[in-house]
Amino acid sequence: ETGVTQSPTHLIKTRGQQVTLRCSSQSGHNTVSWYQQALGQGPQFIFQYYREEENGRGNFPPRFSGLQFPNYSSELNVNALELDDSALYLCASSFGGTSYEQYFGPGTRLTVT
Amino acid sequence: QQPVQSPQAVILREGEDAVINCSSSKALYSVHWYRQKHGEAPVFLMILLKGGEQKGHEKISASFNEKKQQSSLYLTASQLSYSGTYFCGTEEKTGANNLFFGTGTRLTVIP
Repeated sequence: ETGVTQSPTHLIKTRGQQVTLRCSSQSGHNTVSWYQQALGQGPQFIFQYYREEENGRGNFPPRFSGLQFPNYSSELNVNALELDDSALYLCASSFGGTSYEQYFGPGTRLTVT
Repeated sequence: QQPVQSPQAVILREGEDAVINCSSSKALYSVHWYRQKHGEAPVFLMILLKGGEQKGHEKISASFNEKKQQSSLYLTASQLSYSGTYFCGTEEKTGANNLFFGTGTRLTVIP
C-alpha cells in the first residue's frame, strides 16, 4: 500500500508565472482535496475532486484550478502567481467524496518572488 | 468559517495532561482532529460525528458538544511523541463537505 505522494517538493517561481503541482492518492482512495497552508496557519481548503469532478471549492479565485485523472491522481494549477501564493500546498486523499480520515501528502513548498 | 482553537500554545512536562478546545460559530456536522509535527504532513487522529460523541485513541480522546458547536481534545499522561501542532477541522451543516481548519495549538512536551 502506497501513501500520498506530491511533486515537486520545493518550487521557486516568479510573480505572474504559472505552476502545476501533482499528487498521487493513497491506494484505494478516490477523492483528493487540496489545501494551502501559510506559515503558522492551519490548512485552507482550495477544492476537492471526486471521480474526476470538482466536488467542492473553497474561497479561492478561478486562477486556482485542478484536475483529477482516472487513476485518482490530481493536479493543482495556479495561474498568474502572486507573492501571497507562497505557501505549503498539501493534498489529502480520502474515500467516497468525503473529507473523512484524510491522508495528507508531504506537501509542495512554493515560493513566489 | 474558521474555528477558534485555544490555547494557542502549551508546554507540558512528560506525564502531564492537557486539553485543547475548538469552537465554531456555525452548526457542525462533524469535528476532525489532526496532529502535525514540524516539517511533516498532518496526521489524522480522530473524527467525531455525533453530538456528545467521545472517542479515544491511545491516551488521546475527544468530545463533541453539538449544541455548543465545540469540541475538546484531551491528552493524558503526555509523552514526548505528543509534541506537535494540533488542528481541529470542522465540517459545517451546509451540505458542503470541506473542512475548515483552526489556526492550531502548538503542544510541546519536555522531559
